[in-house]
Parts: sequence; C-alpha cells; structure tokens
Amino acid sequence: GDSVTQMEGPVTLSEEAFLTINCTYTATGYPSLFWYVQYPGEGLQLLLKATKADDKGSNKGFEATYRKETTSFHLEKGSVQVSDSAVYFCALSTGGKLIFGQGTELSVKP
Amino acid sequence: EAGVAQSPRYKIIEKRQSVAFWCNPISGHATLYWYQQILGQGPKLLIQFQNNGVVDDSQLPKDRFSAERLKGVDSTLKIQPAKLEDSAVYLCANREWREDEQFFGPGTRLTVL
Repeated sequence: GDSVTQMEGPVTLSEEAFLTINCTYTATGYPSLFWYVQYPGEGLQLLLKATKADDKGSNKGFEATYRKETTSFHLEKGSVQVSDSAVYFCALSTGGKLIFGQGTELSVKP
Repeated sequence: EAGVAQSPRYKIIEKRQSVAFWCNPISGHATLYWYQQILGQGPKLLIQFQNNGVVDDSQLPKDRFSAERLKGVDSTLKIQPAKLEDSAVYLCANREWREDEQFFGPGTRLTVL
C-alpha cells in the first residue's frame, strides 16, 4: 500500500544552519504531497504542498520539490531559526486521505 | 474563519471505561476525518465522512470504536471499552469538497491508565 518514509530525528541544528529533512514515498497513481508542522503544544498546520511532478511548494522560507523520478519530497530551509523548532510530518494524499510519515523532530539552538 | 474545534482537550480514564470526543468542523467543509496519533508516530486515519455518510472506516477497530456525524456537521468518536494502547492524541480534520488541504483541530489527548 501507499506509504511515506522520513528521516529519523531528532535533528539538532544551530541557528542559521541549513536544514534538509528527507522524505520518500510509495504510491500508486499521482498523489499530492504535503509537509505539516506541529509546534509544541499546538495542532498540525499545513506548511506547504505540491500537487504534481516538478511543482515546488514554499512557505516561511521552507521549500520542497515534488520529484517523481526519485519519489521524494525533501524539505529544505536555508537558515533556520529557534522558532522553527517543531515536529515536521511529510504526507501524501490519496483518495482524499492523508498518509503520514513518522515525523522528524527539529531542535534549533541559539 | 473559525477553525476546527475539539473537546475535551485532555482526558484521563481507566482501562475498560468509556470515553467520547467531539469535533465541530469548519462551516461548509463536507469531508471530516478522525485520526489517531500515538506518541512518536504520525497520525493514522481511523474514519472518513462525506457529509453524514461513512466513506472509509477500514482502519477503525469496530469492536470498541464507533463514530457518527450528525446532520453532516458535528461528529463524535467513542471508545468503549478503552484499552491501554488507546492512549494517543485523537485529531479531527476537515476539508472542502474537491480541495486537497485538510485543516486540523487541536486534538484530544487521551491517557488510559
């Protein structure tokens, strides 16, 4: 069945460092791909999305490109801030349902 | 626009007791989901409604879990009887018909002792 695999955390970075969180997926058909973020004590929020191959989603300095050839949707940010500390979930949408990865915890130190 | 509301936010019960969670979706969002998020894992779909009809409940443990959506608006999820492994955050999400994005509520954190 369809599935999403993320790199394991926790990931600890210093402020202003470059961030990459890897995400690969397995799916039949052509899913939409998402990154959701969960800040401490808060609910899931959509960070960005891409609906077809080669689309790039971007928001708040974060970017991810839908790569059909490598079945990947890696999340990147050029310079992280302490306020980016959160858990990040990669997900795909198939038939209106979301399938999530296990989440990657990011901790940014000043 | 008001977001997805859920209550209660926290619940602690003993095993074999019953518990119910409530979700009030965003107005006009026809599709409603319940997810279970166990600590350290991503959310997993339990049930999907379209208006007040069930679209997918294949992952719902029907011997103990039940859900309904009254008049295509509010929804309740019930566990009876609860087991220790039901300790998790239960998330309600909605989306508009024909849109991809799902909007999540704050969740209900259930602890079963």
